[in-house]
Amino acid sequence: DAKTTQPNSMESNEEEPVHLPCNHSTISGTDYIHWYRQLPSQGPEYVIHGLTSNVNNRMASLAIAEDRKSSTLILHRATLRDAAVYYCILSTNAGKSTFGDGTTLTVKP
Amino acid sequence: DAGVTQSPTHLIKTRGQQVTLRCSPKSGHDTVSWYQQALGQGPQFIFQYYEEEERQRGNFPDRFSGHQFPNYSSELNVNALLLGDSALYLCASSLLFLPNSPLHFGNGTRLTVT
Repeated sequence: DAKTTQPNSMESNEEEPVHLPCNHSTISGTDYIHWYRQLPSQGPEYVIHGLTSNVNNRMASLAIAEDRKSSTLILHRATLRDAAVYYCILSTNAGKSTFGDGTTLTVKP
Repeated sequence: DAGVTQSPTHLIKTRGQQVTLRCSPKSGHDTVSWYQQALGQGPQFIFQYYEEEERQRGNFPDRFSGHQFPNYSSELNVNALLLGDSALYLCASSLLFLPNSPLHFGNGTRLTVT
């Protein structure tokens, strides 16, 4: 299974940018990089995804390395509501998405 | 527009029993995936259904089985429950059987096996 590696935890101050890294050195050419986040007692929520180019949406930005072996989720101004577990996953052509243990983001006021 | 709904929200069973969990996908979605999430861990892929057939399966024993109905809803069945089956079971739907199709998750069924 395609595997990703993320730090266990990160901290940020409110209203500051947050950069959440993800390594995926075994990514194949057709794998998409997806990010999800999960709040307590809820299912994961889709954040953003991309293939090769950097992507922006209303929630976040995704920066993908040129060799595609790593990516970074960027929250431009962290709020207390952004405190969650963030998962970086690879979505394969077979339609299978494998989750790791994610990064727990703590946002300090 | 209703998102993914799962039922029941909580369930308590005894070892050796059987359980059925249900999932209704987001309107317009045709692919359903099931995940098991133990406390403090990420979701683990169980299997995926598309066009009423199991298309992909994770590393789970045959005690875990599923079904997808013509209206795209799905069931997860677990037989001969073990204590280790206690977890949050998540259902996710997507629009197409494609890797760029985001998953939409329900809030899960919390299964406790005693």
